[in-house]
Amino acid sequence: GNSVTQMEGPVTLSEEAFLTINCTYTATGYPSLFWYVQYPGEGLQLLLKATKADDKGSNKGFEATYRKETTSFHLEKGSVQVSDSAVYFCALRNTDKLIFGTGTRLQVFP
Amino acid sequence: KAGVTQTPRYLIKTRGQQVTLSCSPISGHRSVSWYQQTPGQGLQFLFEYFSETQRNKGNFPGRFSGRQFSNSRSEMNVSTLELGDSALYLCASSLVIGGDTEAFFGQGTRLTVV
Repeated sequence: GNSVTQMEGPVTLSEEAFLTINCTYTATGYPSLFWYVQYPGEGLQLLLKATKADDKGSNKGFEATYRKETTSFHLEKGSVQVSDSAVYFCALRNTDKLIFGTGTRLQVFP
Repeated sequence: KAGVTQTPRYLIKTRGQQVTLSCSPISGHRSVSWYQQTPGQGLQFLFEYFSETQRNKGNFPGRFSGRQFSNSRSEMNVSTLELGDSALYLCASSLVIGGDTEAFFGQGTRLTVV
């Protein structure tokens, strides 16, 4: 079946540090991959997406590359800000529903 | 344009009662999906509706049901509430189903069962 595995958090960083949140997936066929972010008390917002192998999604300084050979979609940002503190969810969609990872909490301190 | 609207934002119910949650999708979107979010289980898919028809269903008991109206608004109902039903219920709307279609989420309804 389809599944998503994310690194466990919390990830704690100082402002301007480099961020990597690992995400790997298992899927039949060729899923689309997504990163969503959830700020406290809010719903999920789409951060970026990639629809085929070697695609790079990017938004607000965040990037992730669809790696079919390693079945990965790691999220990276070169310099995090306090305002990036949130929970990040990796997800895939094959033909129908979104399947989410367990989420990774990011805490950025000044 | 207006985003996805979920009402109410917060609910407190007693075990054994039933509850109805509402979701108004983005104008023009015909697909509505529901998810349950809990600290222990994370985000779990409940069901998806498109053009008033349920197209997909997750692994939840029959106490969880939903429907979609001709204006694409959706409701989900939980009957005979249990303590374990306490969760954040999220609704997402999309133009169509599947593929790389972007899903837009509402702020959720936080249900507490006491």
